Amino acid sequence: QVQLQESGPGLVKPSGTLSLTCAVSGASISSDYWWSWVRQPPGQGLEWIAETHHSGTTNYNPSLKSRVTISVDKFKNQFSLNVNSVTAADTAVYYCAINGDFRGQGTLVTVSS
Amino acid sequence: QSALTQPPSASGSPGQSVTISCTGTSSDLAGHNSVSWYQQHPGKAPKLMIFEVSKRPSGVPDRFSGSKSGNTASLTVSGLQAEDEADYYCCSSAGSHYVFGTGTKVTVL
Repeated sequence: QVQLQESGPGLVKPSGTLSLTCAVSGASISSDYWWSWVRQPPGQGLEWIAETHHSGTTNYNPSLKSRVTISVDKFKNQFSLNVNSVTAADTAVYYCAINGDFRGQGTLVTVSS
Repeated sequence: QSALTQPPSASGSPGQSVTISCTGTSSDLAGHNSVSWYQQHPGKAPKLMIFEVSKRPSGVPDRFSGSKSGNTASLTVSGLQAEDEADYYCCSSAGSHYVFGTGTKVTVL
C-alpha cells in the first residue's frame, strides 16, 4: 500500500520561500508514476500546482510556473516543492499525490509575518 | 486557465440518485479523457473516486459512475447514503497541466 507523508515549515514569512517534502513509502520514486502537488486555501477549492516523473519530465500550472519548482530525490525516495516570493494567497493545505491519488493527510502552510 | 464549472450544490434523499456536472472547454475536457472525480469530507484529504472518465479505483462502490460528452463530464451517485454527503471536485487534463472544478457540495436530505 503506497503511503505519502507531506512535511513543511508550517509558517513562512511573506516574500520568503516555501519548501515542502513528500516522503514515499510502499513504492519507488523511480517507478512509472506521476508525482504531484495540489493545494487548497482555507475554505476554498482545490488548485493543481505541478507534477513530475522520475524521467525528469515536469509540468506546471501556468499561473504558478514562474514561482514553483518540483523535484525528485531518488536517494531519499521523496519529492519536493519549492514556492518562492510567497504571499498570503499561498496560505493553504498542501497535498501530494501519486497518479492523482492522494495518499497523505496534507500539511497546512501559513504565510504571515 | 479557468477552473472547470460545477454547480455549487446538489442534493437528494437516501436511496435516490444525484448527478453532478462539470463543464470545461475544448482545451481541457473536450480534448482529453484524463478526467477524475474526488470526494472530500470536511477536514479530510480528497479521495479519488473516478479516473479516466469512468474507471473506479479499487474499493470505490459501483454506486459511483462517471461519463463525459463533449466538454461536459458527469458524476452520478446512485443509491445515496448518508456518508456520501461531501464536497465533490472534477479534474481534467488541459494538455501540459491539470485544472480542477469549482466544487459541488452534495447534501443527503
